[in-house]
Amino acid sequence: ETGVTQSPTHLIKTRGQQVTLRCSSQSGHNTVSWYQQALGQGPQFIFQYYREEENGRGNFPPRFSGLQFPNYSSELNVNALELDDSALYLCASSPTGLAVNEQFFGPGTRLTVL
Amino acid sequence: AQSVTQLGSHVSVSEGALVLLRCNYSSSVPPYLFWYVQYPNQGLQLLLKYTSAATLVKGINGFEAEFKKSETSFHLTKPSAHMSDAAEYFCAVTLKTGANNLFFGTGTRLTVIP
Repeated sequence: ETGVTQSPTHLIKTRGQQVTLRCSSQSGHNTVSWYQQALGQGPQFIFQYYREEENGRGNFPPRFSGLQFPNYSSELNVNALELDDSALYLCASSPTGLAVNEQFFGPGTRLTVL
Repeated sequence: AQSVTQLGSHVSVSEGALVLLRCNYSSSVPPYLFWYVQYPNQGLQLLLKYTSAATLVKGINGFEAEFKKSETSFHLTKPSAHMSDAAEYFCAVTLKTGANNLFFGTGTRLTVIP
């Protein structure tokens, strides 16, 4: 069974640019959540997708947007990058009907904004 | 609103000594609670979870945690530390309803001294 995978592993962008991060969910999982983990902090919830629809959003501006595809993979897009967007971006998937909402995390994408 | 507080951003223990990592939660309804571990340059791995069944929860790698409603705590323990336990540990809370996203604490870095 393949776990959650993310690409790329590292990315360097400059302020004002746009970036797209990708996530493949674990087999059988139809829910994907994205988190931002700044250096020295715990992960913060960005948003969640369930069956291709946004199913909840944290306190992040609209320039953070996402997509989920029919195969349940997902993208996180960030426009007009700011220096504070530098962080580890984690994707997590959850299986259908799991009552305890256990989330399985990928290794993350390290984004550096210069 | 729900949140967790992790007391102690850094904890050092000797190899073979007891590990105690503290977590207190705040939630308006009975929560689900989790402990995750993060090794350097990796994503999060679930150690254990509390889902309103047994209050003493056993997880992987010899870790366990006890849910104490009266103290709003969910401290993580391990009787005997191993060098491989050195990592960052995160406590997280979620609700059963809604987007069931995780709210993480700021983490505790565990150092194991040989």
